[in-house]
Amino acid sequence: IVLAQSPGTLSLSPGERATLSCRASQTISDNFLAWYQRKPGQAPRLLISGASTRAAGIPDRFSASGSGTDFTLTISRLEPEDFAVYYCHQYASSSTFGGGTKVEIK
Amino acid sequence: EVQLVESGGGLVKPGGSLRLSCTASGFTFSDYPMNWVRLAPGKELEWVSSISSSSSYIYYPDSVRRRFTVSRDNARNSLYLQMNSLRAEDTALYFCTRGRGNYPHYFDYWGQGTLVTVSS
Repeated sequence: IVLAQSPGTLSLSPGERATLSCRASQTISDNFLAWYQRKPGQAPRLLISGASTRAAGIPDRFSASGSGTDFTLTISRLEPEDFAVYYCHQYASSSTFGGGTKVEIK
Repeated sequence: EVQLVESGGGLVKPGGSLRLSCTASGFTFSDYPMNWVRLAPGKELEWVSSISSSSSYIYYPDSVRRRFTVSRDNARNSLYLQMNSLRAEDTALYFCTRGRGNYPHYFDYWGQGTLVTVSS
């Protein structure tokens, strides 16, 4: 399953809303889709599993939705620490990742 | 606090070998499947291997099968990746990750990674 993330880069200001898309080449069964955040020099962090379940300790400004082939990660109000690269990952059929969306400060 | 610390990366010539290690702490290592994931320059994250908690089940993608071998030592809280016949395209940052759920897993904790460079 190939995952296409868009946009490649999102330029926003703190306080703005970020909407990230992940589109799969075929249906992801059981909504086995996760989202991760990675900052330079840091370990990636799990944000979401099962398409919409926030991981422990993840602030509620992060939300995710979707099913089938179209999935979305939303950050309701960007905090300075949210500027990072975000990856989607399907684990329904083997394991593949999207190319990432970089959320940068405008 | 869950911690995963990778080591063993470095510069190796094409055709060479390298062994990566990952030391885990902050959780009962023997209860969880573990995985390696890599990020090559300018490319997407790529899952490299999975090993079940008792080493009963091991999986690889075609890109590394028959060249890479994953193993674990639950007594030492350690995960390993033996990489043979290395190619330039194996150049990447290699992450150790803890798996959740049944295979295929999602990854709830990641290390910071160890860099492998394959170049003559």
